[in-house]
Amino acid sequence: GAVVSQHPSWVICKSGTSVKIECRSLDFQATTMFWYRQFPKQSLMLMATSNEGSKATYEQGVEKDKFLINHASLTLSTLTVTSAHPEDSSFYICSAEAGGSLDTQYFGPGTRLTVL
Amino acid sequence: DAKTTQPTSMDCAEGRAANLPCNHSTISGNEYVYWYRQIHSQGPQYIIHGLKNNETNEMASLIITEDRKSSTLILPHATLRDTAVYYCIVSRPREGGKLIFGQGTELSVKP
Repeated sequence: GAVVSQHPSWVICKSGTSVKIECRSLDFQATTMFWYRQFPKQSLMLMATSNEGSKATYEQGVEKDKFLINHASLTLSTLTVTSAHPEDSSFYICSAEAGGSLDTQYFGPGTRLTVL
Repeated sequence: DAKTTQPTSMDCAEGRAANLPCNHSTISGNEYVYWYRQIHSQGPQYIIHGLKNNETNEMASLIITEDRKSSTLILPHATLRDTAVYYCIVSRPREGGKLIFGQGTELSVKP
């Protein structure tokens, strides 16, 4: 149980284009999902907290107009990197909070974004 | 959220117990201790969490000191596949508690 998937697992795009990453909780409902970014040899950095049916809360320094988050259902959150540039190349990871007795966050496998 | 301190790296012989320490001296009463690990180029994997009692599951044991200022994750019989970065995090669940990742401990299990 408590499986989180991400799609795509990797993507290569041209500078200036937008990329959408999906995060799904497969066997549980998640009212809260989180998005992280990880650069090589660094730890995970929290970007934003996403609650179903409401606007995401972004961490300080994260541009909300560049990283659009939508959490339209209890099992799906999407992150859209708009007008991507090479410096946006990174490993993007989502997590979903399983409430009730599970009581913890479970992570997706990550999406490797490369912007040329 | 309280901050944690972990050694940067540790080595462990295959088949032996791996004991990973974590200091969280500023932990508050409603914060849990969580352990995750990340194998290269994968998403973090949940290992175990606890509030004040020791916990054990099929992956590991978590020993929390009585004053809750530190804890130890124990992998009873480490294998080469346990080589990963291990993160100790304190957070409040079910209140939208964020997981703030530090640098973790890079555990190398050697044959």
